[in-house]
Amino acid sequence: KNQVEQSPQSLIILEGKNCTLQCNYTVSPFSNLRWYKQDTGRGPVSLTIMTFSENTKSNGRYTATLDADTKQSSLHITASQLSDSASYICVVTRRTGNQFYFGTGTSLTVIP
Amino acid sequence: NAGVTQTPKFQVLKTGQSMTLQCAQDMNHNSMYWYRQDPGMGLRLIYYSASEGTTDKGEVPNGYNVSRLNKREFSLRLESAAPSQTSVYFCASSEAVGAGPGPQHFGDGTRLSIL
Repeated sequence: KNQVEQSPQSLIILEGKNCTLQCNYTVSPFSNLRWYKQDTGRGPVSLTIMTFSENTKSNGRYTATLDADTKQSSLHITASQLSDSASYICVVTRRTGNQFYFGTGTSLTVIP
Repeated sequence: NAGVTQTPKFQVLKTGQSMTLQCAQDMNHNSMYWYRQDPGMGLRLIYYSASEGTTDKGEVPNGYNVSRLNKREFSLRLESAAPSQTSVYFCASSEAVGAGPGPQHFGDGTRLSIL
């Protein structure tokens, strides 16, 4: 069964600290993996995309990694800011049929 | 640059009423999607339209109908609303990048409550 699982479900960190969010998937055949940020009351916004051949990609303070062998991805946030408080959603695209599979998200709260 | 615009932003209905959720995108994307988002669950696909003139069922299509009015607009209709359809509805659009779909661009959602 094609699934995407994210952990932790929620996370609270102090401003300025780093954190890492996890995404495990069983989607096959794999096309790509995207991380989205969803602010409260808004739609998700794409942060980064990882294809099969990519191991690491950065977007400012966000760094995503992909291990296609173990089917795991992580999103590392460096020097967190209050504005990083949001839900982070992992989405895997299946190559056959171009279907999207969504994780349930990690809710991140950054406190001063 | 509006991106994806959804109307209305909020709506309260009584059981059995009907309504149409509107979605328009100004990015000239071929593909458009309707999702619902419920607490503790990931976004679930209701219907999608790969291109103008085509629509296909997603994971949870029961109780919904869609119309791809033109390349810009994709509407979602609830014919007889039920409390189980209380949710936040998101419209999204995307364009092909290489051999696969590009990133999805989402609207800010319609929050629908059915009493």
